[in-house]
Amino acid sequence: QVSLKESGPGILQPFQTLSLTCSFSGFSLGTSNMGVGWIRQTSGKGLEYLATIWWDDDKYFNPSLNSRLTVSKDTSNNQAFLKITSVDTADTGTYYCTQRLLYRGYFDYWGQGVMVTVSS
Amino acid sequence: DIQMTQSPASLSASLGETVTIECRASEDIYSNLAWYQQKPGNSPQLLIYDANSLADGVPSRFSGSGSGTQYSLKINSLQSEDVASYFCQQYNNYPNTFGAGTKLELK
Repeated sequence: QVSLKESGPGILQPFQTLSLTCSFSGFSLGTSNMGVGWIRQTSGKGLEYLATIWWDDDKYFNPSLNSRLTVSKDTSNNQAFLKITSVDTADTGTYYCTQRLLYRGYFDYWGQGVMVTVSS
Repeated sequence: DIQMTQSPASLSASLGETVTIECRASEDIYSNLAWYQQKPGNSPQLLIYDANSLADGVPSRFSGSGSGTQYSLKINSLQSEDVASYFCQQYNNYPNTFGAGTKLELK
């Protein structure tokens, strides 16, 4: 049974770096064609696909945020990570991690989401 | 990026009614379209993929159709538990993009 859960700082200040962790079970990033995707939901842009990290350490970043995003993984501990540098209030929202399959463009499994607030 | 235009933005319907939500892509997405349901405080849940395939466990009153740039989600015989927001997503191109959502309420 696939399950994902995001964790993060909750609140941070402008210009800081947001670091999020996705802890998952029921699949492995050591398996071919497997990935973890990151999606956020903000009042300004709605649902926005951010990035994916794949089993082979290939990565995709949404060009609109490319320079600010970093994704990584810890395959042994079933975790994936997202970092966004230099946050501002527009980054306030709920961040989701999802299971991603190479041959499926849709998202079967989502985490519960973690709320992130950027405020001075 | 492919723009996904969803309509209406909000919708009020009665129990038992049939509801249709539309999604228009800015270019042909070749049926690479999914629909999600999101209830308040919850994450989106997959309803439909490949434009017309029902996801596991989704009631048969939900159906999807369309091709090219025009797609729709139909809910037959609206139930109280269908009160939610609905989103479309294209996965024909990167970056995958979502519609702005339709908020469905009971009349």
